[in-house]
Amino acid sequence: ETGVTQSPTHLIKTRGQQVTLRCSSQSGHNTVSWYQQALGQGPQFIFQYYREEENGRGNFPPRFSGLQFPNYSSELNVNALELDDSALYLCASSELATDTQYFGPGTRLTVL
Amino acid sequence: QQQVKQSPQSLIVQKGGISIINCAYENTAFDYFPWYQQFPGKGPALLIAIRPDVSEKKEGRFTISFNKSAKQFSLHIMDSQPGDSATYFCAAANTNAGKSTFGDGTTLTVKP
Repeated sequence: ETGVTQSPTHLIKTRGQQVTLRCSSQSGHNTVSWYQQALGQGPQFIFQYYREEENGRGNFPPRFSGLQFPNYSSELNVNALELDDSALYLCASSELATDTQYFGPGTRLTVL
Repeated sequence: QQQVKQSPQSLIVQKGGISIINCAYENTAFDYFPWYQQFPGKGPALLIAIRPDVSEKKEGRFTISFNKSAKQFSLHIMDSQPGDSATYFCAAANTNAGKSTFGDGTTLTVKP
């Protein structure tokens, strides 16, 4: 059984650019949630996907968007990057939308 | 809006001592309360979780105490070890809405 994996590990972008982050969920899991973790803070919920449909969304603007694919892997897309988007982006998967979440190691995004 | 308040921000405990971290929440729709442990450069890992129909849950050295009327819950780490030194996050989830809210974290240092 493989755990949650994320790519890339690190990423540097400039303000105004667009970025795509990827997540492979743990085997057998059909739900993926994305979080943004700023330095020294707790993870902030961005959104959750359950069986390819958005199942919940936090207080993030529409330039944060996502996809979940038939194999339950997922992408987080961020358009028009801002300096404050610099953070660790975490993906978590679970068997059901209500079940225990298992986190990946995260993608460190730096916006210059 | 800070929906989950965590304290203390940092904690120093001697080896063998008890570490206690507290959290308070506001939203009565929360129905799942997990605690996570995070080491530098890693994603959060689930330690223990509780649902509001029980007042206490124990797993090894880790215990959650839950007070539904006060809307508070706490993590107790018995016989704290240097390897427990990490950042701990409480969280509260509204599983029907697919939303999770994290506290700001507690940095625990266990001195040998």
